[in-house]
Amino acid sequence: NAGVTQTPKFQVLKTGQSMTLQCAQDMNHNSMYWYRQDPGMGLRLIYYSASEGTTDKGEVPNGYNVSRLNKREFSLRLESAAPSQTSVYFCASMLAVSYEAFFGQGTRLTVV
Amino acid sequence: GENVEQHPSTLSVQEGDSAVIKCTYSDSASNYFPWYKQELGKRPQLIIDIRSNVGEKKDQRIAVTLNKTAKHFSLHITETQPEDSAVYFCAASINGNQFYFGTGTSLTVIP
Repeated sequence: NAGVTQTPKFQVLKTGQSMTLQCAQDMNHNSMYWYRQDPGMGLRLIYYSASEGTTDKGEVPNGYNVSRLNKREFSLRLESAAPSQTSVYFCASMLAVSYEAFFGQGTRLTVV
Repeated sequence: GENVEQHPSTLSVQEGDSAVIKCTYSDSASNYFPWYKQELGKRPQLIIDIRSNVGEKKDQRIAVTLNKTAKHFSLHITETQPEDSAVYFCAASINGNQFYFGTGTSLTVIP
């Protein structure tokens, strides 16, 4: 039982490049989330998906797009990376009964 | 949207002492308040949570209290141990939708 798996763990991009962060969960959770974590700012919600086929913006969606490919997978895309998107990105899924969120191991992204 | 404030940002205690971290929230509709622990370089993990129909919840050395009227909740860790050193995040949510996190408290337990 792997839980929530994110790939890659580390990535360096040049300004203007694009990339997709992948996330998959094997716990049959309906809700999935993408957060970014910056020093002194906690975790901020980028996008979330309450169920397969639905996505909604969170606090800081600008510069990102998401796809809920199926119940297991929720990807985050940066179309044109900017230095301000340098951050640690966490994917999470939530157990509906308890509201407990399970996080992936994070992706450390640096945009130069 | 919801605004969650967390204090203090850093906290140092001697091993065996208690630690208290406080959070306030703005949206009176929030009804679920989890606390997450994040060790250096690791993912956040849930340590305790409380719902709005409960005033206090305890799990061994950790407890959470909630004051709905004042819109604040607190994490209490007793008999602190070095392995309690980590960053702690509070959060608020309405029915598990859109978790809003505080900015974190870096707790250091000095042996």
